[in-house]
This record gives sequence, C-alpha cells and structure tokens, in this order.
Amino acid sequence: KNEVEQSPQNLTAQEGEFITINCSYSVGISALHWLQQHPGGGIVSLFMLSSGKKKHGRLIATINIQEKHSSLHITASHPRDSAVYICAVNQGAQKLVFGQGTRLTINP
Amino acid sequence: DTAVSQTPKYLVTQMGNDKSIKCEQNLGHDTMYWYKQDSKKFLKIMFSYNNKELIINETVPNRFSPKSPDKAHLNLHINSLELGDSAVYFCASSQEGWGPYNEQFFGPGTRLTVL
Repeated sequence: KNEVEQSPQNLTAQEGEFITINCSYSVGISALHWLQQHPGGGIVSLFMLSSGKKKHGRLIATINIQEKHSSLHITASHPRDSAVYICAVNQGAQKLVFGQGTRLTINP
Repeated sequence: DTAVSQTPKYLVTQMGNDKSIKCEQNLGHDTMYWYKQDSKKFLKIMFSYNNKELIINETVPNRFSPKSPDKAHLNLHINSLELGDSAVYFCASSQEGWGPYNEQFFGPGTRLTVL
C-alpha cells in the first residue's frame, strides 16, 4: 500500500462540472503538494500547503492534518484542465513521496 | 528563459551502454533533485543535492551516479543500462533544501528508452 493514495484514479466529466480529487496519506508530513502533469509530460506545481485552504483562480486545495486528507477542487471545469493531478507529501525536509496520480479528462 | 532545463529530451540506447542526462536551473536554487517516472506514471525520488552535496539517495542502484559540478547543475550518469531503466527522468529544483515549504520547479523530463 502506498503511503499516499489518491482517488479516483481516473475521472471523466463534462465541461463546467465541479471536480474533486482526493488524497490521503499515512505518514507524518510537513507539507503537501498538488502537481499537474500536462498531456505533453511537463509537471507544474499548483499548490503547496500545510494547513487550511488555498485558492488560485478556479482551483482550490484544502488539507485536514488531523484526518491526513487533502482535496483538490476545480470549479467550472474546462477541457484545458485535462491532465494528471498528482498529490505529493513532504516527508522530512526534502523528500517528496508521490501518489499514483489522477487522470482527469474534461469533455466539451 | 527556461527555469529548469534537461538534455536530451529523448534518449534511445542499447542495453549495456552508459549514458548521461544533464540538468541545469537558472533560478538560483540551492537544492536539485532527480525523479524517475515509471510506465505507470508513478513518480519516485532518486536523489537530492543541496549546494553540491548529496542529501538523499533513495536505494537507487549504484549504476546511477549523480554529479553536481556546481549548484546550478545536477547531471545523472547511468552505467550498464538495463531494460528496467526505461522511464521518464525529471530534474527539479527548490530554493531552500532544508525547509519543508519549498515549491519545486520541474524540468521537462527526459524519456529514456533502453532496447
């Protein structure tokens, strides 16, 4: 069992739908990251958080340290949001441990 | 200007060969990383360097040898390539190696195919 588990593994939705991707972890962490990997392969950091909630545009990330759980939400989803979303946790100062990723497809 | 660059983007080679992947960051970051992404798209850290010093070595075979000539560069040399080494290798950097709150910037990846 991975130390970081994401659900769902695959998600297909229609344009405009509200999207939620979940991440649960079983280890002590200092921070949690949400990354986006585009179909072309590039990886971009979306959020880094250690408590509460962060918002960038249509993306919202929340974390509950007690429950060891984080969610990534996308409002008013768009086909350009189609990508793999990866949750990763800081275990120690630098080591990142990754979830298996969630493949999101938004159909027009 | 590309913040974290890797060369080559694609590398196809025969089993048993030795190859290198280069990484450079122009962000002034102190810490650089190598990650491996397997065929199932699962990312795993391989190495971390802080100011040219090896910090993390995650049970990677010693055929893999990272080299950091200066803090802007972290190259990955692989000896005696095996079929299982086929993967996408990502370089990344972050500003402060010891802090837990540091965003990582990723290179575009190098797709290595061993035949």
